[in-house]
Amino acid sequence: QLQLQESGPGLVKPSETLSLTCTVSGGSISSSYYYWGWIRQPPGKGLEWIGSIFYSGSTYYNPSLKSRVTISVDTSKDQFSLKLSSVTAADTAVYYCARHGSMTSGFLSWGQGTLVTVSS
Amino acid sequence: QSALTQPPSASGSPGQSVTISCTGTSSDVGGYYYVSWYQQHPGKAPKLMIYEVSKRPSGVPDRFSGSKSGNTASLTVSGLQAEDEADYYCSSYAGSNNYVFGTGTKVTVL
Repeated sequence: QLQLQESGPGLVKPSETLSLTCTVSGGSISSSYYYWGWIRQPPGKGLEWIGSIFYSGSTYYNPSLKSRVTISVDTSKDQFSLKLSSVTAADTAVYYCARHGSMTSGFLSWGQGTLVTVSS
Repeated sequence: QSALTQPPSASGSPGQSVTISCTGTSSDVGGYYYVSWYQQHPGKAPKLMIYEVSKRPSGVPDRFSGSKSGNTASLTVSGLQAEDEADYYCSSYAGSNNYVFGTGTKVTVL
């Protein structure tokens, strides 16, 4: 059974870079033609798609975050990562990693989410 | 891109039906048959309930159904059960490899 697990610092200082990794188990990132995405949810608010990456490395970003986001994949470790630069308090959220079958399909498999707080 | 518009809340008694709307534009909901719906219980990750407007992933009860008309998509939960009480979010493909989510609806089972 496919499992996704987010990991990374729970506290980041304003203006610094938020870095998270999603580790995939029960399946290989490169074994199938799947997309791997990041979604976030500020406390008490709705979901926001951050961006996605194809197993080959092609990336797709939310236009509103594109200038600050980098998503990468390491197929040898079955991991993909998120970097969000120049963070502010508005970036405080639960960050989820997820898998989807295409850029038009829904996110079928999700990690449990990790809370990242931006504060000095 | 702006979030899709959903009503903040909806409710129904056990056994009844509740329908949630999701309104977008011709650039997202109205332009594609790629609307998904997610159920989220407190403190949990979202769960995909509907994809491509009306398709159900394996394991999702047929009490959950989806439809679309113009720029508005809808999720109907029939035969409401206590465990259906949750937040529900729609999402849509928005062209140019973009996604947009809805504002979310809290469903209460009375």
